[in-house]
Amino acid sequence: AQTVTQSQPEMSVQEAETVTLSCTYDTSESNYYLFWYKQPPSRQMILVIRQEAYKQQNATENRFSVNFQKAAKSFSLKISDSQLGDTAMYFCAFMKHGQGAQKLVFGQGTRLTINP
Amino acid sequence: DGGITQSPKYLFRKEGQNVTLSCEQNLNHDAMYWYRQDPGQGLRLIYYSQIVNDFQKGDIAEGYSVSREKKESFPLTVTSAQKNPTAFYLCASSSLGAGAYEQYFGPGTRLTVT
Repeated sequence: AQTVTQSQPEMSVQEAETVTLSCTYDTSESNYYLFWYKQPPSRQMILVIRQEAYKQQNATENRFSVNFQKAAKSFSLKISDSQLGDTAMYFCAFMKHGQGAQKLVFGQGTRLTINP
Repeated sequence: DGGITQSPKYLFRKEGQNVTLSCEQNLNHDAMYWYRQDPGQGLRLIYYSQIVNDFQKGDIAEGYSVSREKKESFPLTVTSAQKNPTAFYLCASSSLGAGAYEQYFGPGTRLTVT
C-alpha cells in the first residue's frame, strides 16, 4: 500500500518570501503520478501542480514548482513570491498509474499562512 | 459552466438516521469518487465508480452505500451503521482516457450528526 507523509503540520512566512513544503511517499510502483492540492478556507480542493514519475524534469506552474527526487521518494513544493491568497491547507497526493479509475492517496496536509 | 455540484453545503442529522449526499457532474467524466475528510487529516476514499451501475469500495466503505444509475450522478448514503459520520465529504470525477487522470473536486458537504 502507498503512504504519503507531510512532516510539517504548519508553516508561516511573510508575503513575497519563498516557502518550501515537504512531502515523502512510499510505494513499490515504478510508474505513478504526484500532485499538490490547495484547500483554501472555502474548502474547495484546487490542483496546484502535477508530476508524472517517468518525467525527470520538475514540473513548474508560474510561481509554483516542485523538486521531485524519485530515488529518495520526495516531492516538495516551492512557492515563490508568496501572496496572501496562497494561505491554505496544502495536500500532497499520490496516484498509481494503471487502467481505469485510480484513487488518490493523500498526506495529512500542511497549513500554510502568508502574513502581510 | 462545467463542473461538479454537491448539495447541500451543510447537513445536520440525528444519530440513527440515514442521510444521502448529492453529487452531480456535467464534465462527461466516466469515473466518480467519494472522499471523506476529518479535521487535521487528508482525504480518504470511500467509494468509486468507473461506469454506470458499477462501483467499488475504497479504503473506508463500511457504513456507506452508493449508486450510479446515471453517468452524471453518484449519490452517497451515510447509514446509521457508520460509527463516526460527522465529517466533510468531497465528491470528485475524472475522465478515463489515455493520459487523463486528474480528479476534479466538488465544493463538499459538511455533515454533522448529533
